[in-house]
Amino acid sequence: DAGITQSPRHKVTETGTPVTLRCHQTENHRYMYWYRQDPGHGLRLIHYSYGVKDTDKGEVSDGYSVSRSKTEDFLLTLESATSSQTSVYFCAISENGGRAHEQFFGPGTRLTVL
Amino acid sequence: DQQVKQNSPSLSVQEGRISILNCDYTNSMFDYFLWYKKYPAEGPTFLISISSIKDKNEDGRFTVFLNKSAKHLSLHIVPSQPGDSAVYFCAATEPTSGTYKYIFGTGTRLKVLA
Repeated sequence: DAGITQSPRHKVTETGTPVTLRCHQTENHRYMYWYRQDPGHGLRLIHYSYGVKDTDKGEVSDGYSVSRSKTEDFLLTLESATSSQTSVYFCAISENGGRAHEQFFGPGTRLTVL
Repeated sequence: DQQVKQNSPSLSVQEGRISILNCDYTNSMFDYFLWYKKYPAEGPTFLISISSIKDKNEDGRFTVFLNKSAKHLSLHIVPSQPGDSAVYFCAATEPTSGTYKYIFGTGTRLKVLA
């Protein structure tokens, strides 16, 4: 199994508070991704990174920011959490971002915004 | 607008029989397709993929068929086993100058009955 961990695994927070989710990998893969999974929507890409300090937006990036200061860590921040951001968040990594190289997913973080 | 659709939210199959999971897409630029399997409280894991230059790819009990003219792909599991009970996501990518981004379907929950 690819070495990907996410922390925390569960979090309950209140509307308006900042939240940071962490993804840590031990595979030295270049590409890292953040997805959210919601009923009726499947997995949707929030942001991704193609190298240290190199990030780009996905299809549902509003309300989220990311940072990658080290190869192994990719942080997802909700500056001011809203109830619509209640979801399960998955981090994924990929060796070179190519389609022939599948993405490996972390175990997920369940976030509840009250 | 959902570019990748899995119209069956759930499917029940008897152990030993064939499971057929379907996926439809609307974007004719998609040229690489993947299936992921997801158990509860875990991240998705890669199962099988197919390029648009092929119409079939096989890996053990799993076969994916692609019908480009119908914009349809299907995953066949033969024989089905209780351990196959999970949510299955199809995903698609299109050629891009940047990293390949996956568009996921909403998932189909497969239950294999012993």
